[in-house]
Amino acid sequence: DGGITQSPKYLFRKEGQNVTLSCEQNLNHDAMYWYRQDPGQGLRLIYYSQIVNDFQKGDIAEGYSVSREKKESFPLTVTSAQKNPTAFYLCASSISQGPYGYTFGSGTRLTVV
Amino acid sequence: QQQVKQSPQSLIVQKGGISIINCAYENTAFDYFPWYQQFPGKGPALLIAIRPDVSEKKEGRFTISFNKSAKQFSLHIMDSQPGDSATYFCAASSGTYKYIFGTGTRLKVLA
Repeated sequence: DGGITQSPKYLFRKEGQNVTLSCEQNLNHDAMYWYRQDPGQGLRLIYYSQIVNDFQKGDIAEGYSVSREKKESFPLTVTSAQKNPTAFYLCASSISQGPYGYTFGSGTRLTVV
Repeated sequence: QQQVKQSPQSLIVQKGGISIINCAYENTAFDYFPWYQQFPGKGPALLIAIRPDVSEKKEGRFTISFNKSAKQFSLHIMDSQPGDSATYFCAASSGTYKYIFGTGTRLKVLA
């Protein structure tokens, strides 16, 4: 089955610690995205990548970093500079050409302890 | 101008009733308007989408109505069922890869 796999499902971070969220897709999609979801605020774009080895900042990129070394993978690192990282993180992918819908992963819930 | 305003924030409907969720936008460059359905602890899933060259699109019990002059679009769920209870997001894009999402509507359908 084609789809997007996010891991882990739940993640706990201590103050001052960097953590990395995994996102892998086997849909052969060129574009990949990271969104943050907070209650009452919808989905906010963190980073997106249209092709391998290239990515752009979204609306709330501060305190986050990404890499796109392979077409299938787009990991997100939440750094210690992100002061309020507790949220639900969603990875998505899409066909690069034209306005087609996203395919989302099942998300990672990150909690600061 | 890049916002998509969604209402209501929450909605309670009796089984068999019609659920209506509304979205409004400002950017006339938007040309693709999808709706996503999200169950708790899961990622959103594409439900139905519309382009501005049509005023309505129907898929089963789900219908999008689109009013280009008013810059509004809405999702209608006919014969609402308890299994429809979820959070619904509207979104818009302007031919790019990036979507602007509404803030979501939490729908609860009472049995």
